[in-house]
Amino acid sequence: EDQVTQSPEALRLQEGESSSLNCSYTVSGLRGLFWYRQDPGKGPEFLFTLYSAGEEKEKERLKATLTKKESFLHITAPKPEDSATYLCAVQVASSYKLIFGSGTRLLVRP
Amino acid sequence: SAVISQKPSRDICQRGTSLTIQCQVDSQVTMMFWYRQQPGQSLTLIATANQGSEATYESGFVIDKFPISRPNLTFSTLTVSNMSPEDSSIYLCSVDMTQGSRAFFGQGTRLTVV
Repeated sequence: EDQVTQSPEALRLQEGESSSLNCSYTVSGLRGLFWYRQDPGKGPEFLFTLYSAGEEKEKERLKATLTKKESFLHITAPKPEDSATYLCAVQVASSYKLIFGSGTRLLVRP
Repeated sequence: SAVISQKPSRDICQRGTSLTIQCQVDSQVTMMFWYRQQPGQSLTLIATANQGSEATYESGFVIDKFPISRPNLTFSTLTVSNMSPEDSSIYLCSVDMTQGSRAFFGQGTRLTVV
């Protein structure tokens, strides 16, 4: 069964304290792995798509990496405005639908 | 990217009634999807809505409960029928216009059933 697991469920950081979020997955065939940011009361905001092991993508203080079993979202020197829920999803090779993990709620304190 | 507008943004409905949610996209897209996000949970796919064909429903979701229309390449509706409090969720429309490399979401419809 295709499955996505994110950890930790919640993470509290001080401003400037770098850390990583984990997304582990088991899929029958991976088309792509997606990262989203979701603010309260809003729809998910697209961040990255990764396709193959070893691939990395960056956007401001965020960098996403991918291995054959997991993905990491690294947050460097976070700011309070980075506080949000970060969602990971896999797109199965046989379709275009997304299977989401349960998310990591990130709180960055000033 | 795509601009996706959902209506209504929120609603409070009586049990036993139905609500139709609209999703309008600012460009033509082949693939549209409807997701549900229950309180404190992540997103679960309800169905895939492609123009010119019937919607494809995921396990646990049926057409009688969640009928979907897709009359053209920029518009879709999802109806939540015969609602119960368990249907209280955020319903999200999503489009994929890049053959799987990006998927964008609307702002969601927050539904409360009383």
